Amino acid sequence: GAVVSQHPSRVICKSGTSVKIECRSLDFQATTMFWYRQFPKKSLMLMATSNEGSKATYEQGVEKDKFLINHASLTLSTLTVTSAHPEDSSFYICSARVTGVDAEAFFGQGTRLTVV
Amino acid sequence: AQSVTQLGSHVSVSEGALVLLRCNYSSSVPPYLFWYVQYPNQGLQLLLKYTTGATLVKGINGFEAEFKKSETSFHLTKPSAHMSDAAEYFCAVGQGGSQGNLIFGKGTKLSVKP
Repeated sequence: GAVVSQHPSRVICKSGTSVKIECRSLDFQATTMFWYRQFPKKSLMLMATSNEGSKATYEQGVEKDKFLINHASLTLSTLTVTSAHPEDSSFYICSARVTGVDAEAFFGQGTRLTVV
Repeated sequence: AQSVTQLGSHVSVSEGALVLLRCNYSSSVPPYLFWYVQYPNQGLQLLLKYTTGATLVKGINGFEAEFKKSETSFHLTKPSAHMSDAAEYFCAVGQGGSQGNLIFGKGTKLSVKP
């Protein structure tokens, strides 16, 4: 199956700093990628839809200036958590769907962000 | 709008026993349905999917699910649980082609007792 690689898998940063998370589709082109946030013992919450070459579409309640998304190529989307705070600590997961109406989504390995 | 409901946030079974994880959906259009498994601190892995055709879908690791339109259900089953099946399971419904995101249920944590 298609492979989505997410990096880093774990990151610890200080409050006030910014952290960039990369999501790459290794063997297919993804015009659209999705960024999810997962709270402990909770389901996945869609944060935003990343569209190659255009602005991301953010879900209600997600601060676009806080969570910057860039999708500059068909194989790479990045999520930057700016001015991180402890409440931003979470598990972030990206995914991309292969072209096709019934295509499943392939997920990255996830990034455990801890803000101290 | 589409939605998914997973009944039971935590299911515990004995090794060798039947696994049944419930999923009900709502959709105004023919749904595409998925089951994913997540191990701790990892991403999601597809177990199986239903798109069209045969309503009984077989997936990896011995899991299968049956699409029942009349019941709007897509329950996941496995005849005999293994210790390695302990994980979080998510049911999801697809919306709107490859550009649309998946709508996930809240997940069911499966525990397997020796």
